Amino acid sequence: AQSVAQPEDQVNVAEGNPLTVKCTYSVSGNPYLFWYVQYPNRGLQFLLKYITGDNLVKGSYGFEAEFNKSQTSFHLKKPSALVSDSALYFCAVRDGNGNNRLAFGKGNQVVVIP
Amino acid sequence: DAEITQSPRHKITETGRQVTLACHQTWNHNNMFWYRQDLGHGLRLIHYSYGVQDTNKGEVSDGYSVSRSNTEDLPLTLESAASSQTSVYFCASSENLNTEAFFGQGTRLTVV
Repeated sequence: AQSVAQPEDQVNVAEGNPLTVKCTYSVSGNPYLFWYVQYPNRGLQFLLKYITGDNLVKGSYGFEAEFNKSQTSFHLKKPSALVSDSALYFCAVRDGNGNNRLAFGKGNQVVVIP
Repeated sequence: DAEITQSPRHKITETGRQVTLACHQTWNHNNMFWYRQDLGHGLRLIHYSYGVQDTNKGEVSDGYSVSRSNTEDLPLTLESAASSQTSVYFCASSENLNTEAFFGQGTRLTVV
């Protein structure tokens, strides 16, 4: 079964500094990878996805992520963090073998310090 | 605009009672999912459906059931609520394997 690991519980970063949120995955087939963000008392909002093609994908609010097949990673990045980026971030994976189930990591709390 | 809505947003119930959480989507998606969110566990899949009359168990399905009588709705029923089922519940839908899932705003359930 597919699984996701987000090794850090919380990421602290100063405003204006680069932000990285780590994600590694495990699937039996080709991975379909997603990042979501959750603001307090809200549902999850889609940020970006990797299905196929260019390993660097760009998404909403200036976020991007790089797919690395050899390291089975899909780290989320933003060149310059904003205080408004403070939220809970989830990495998720579907197995390309036809299983439409989306498996989530435990989430990373990002705190951007003014 | 198409959307996915959950009701109620907040619910307090007593141990042993049956509770049903509603999920309604107007995306016309075949795939619908129920997750629970708990601190330290992220989102865990409870049940999912790939279409009308189709239901499947997820990783934490014990004590829960779903039914899919139409495309738009996937109600989640707690047969006999337990304190361990106190959680935030999210419903989601997606079109196919390649597309992102859309989430409802969640239902905060407290079992006392």
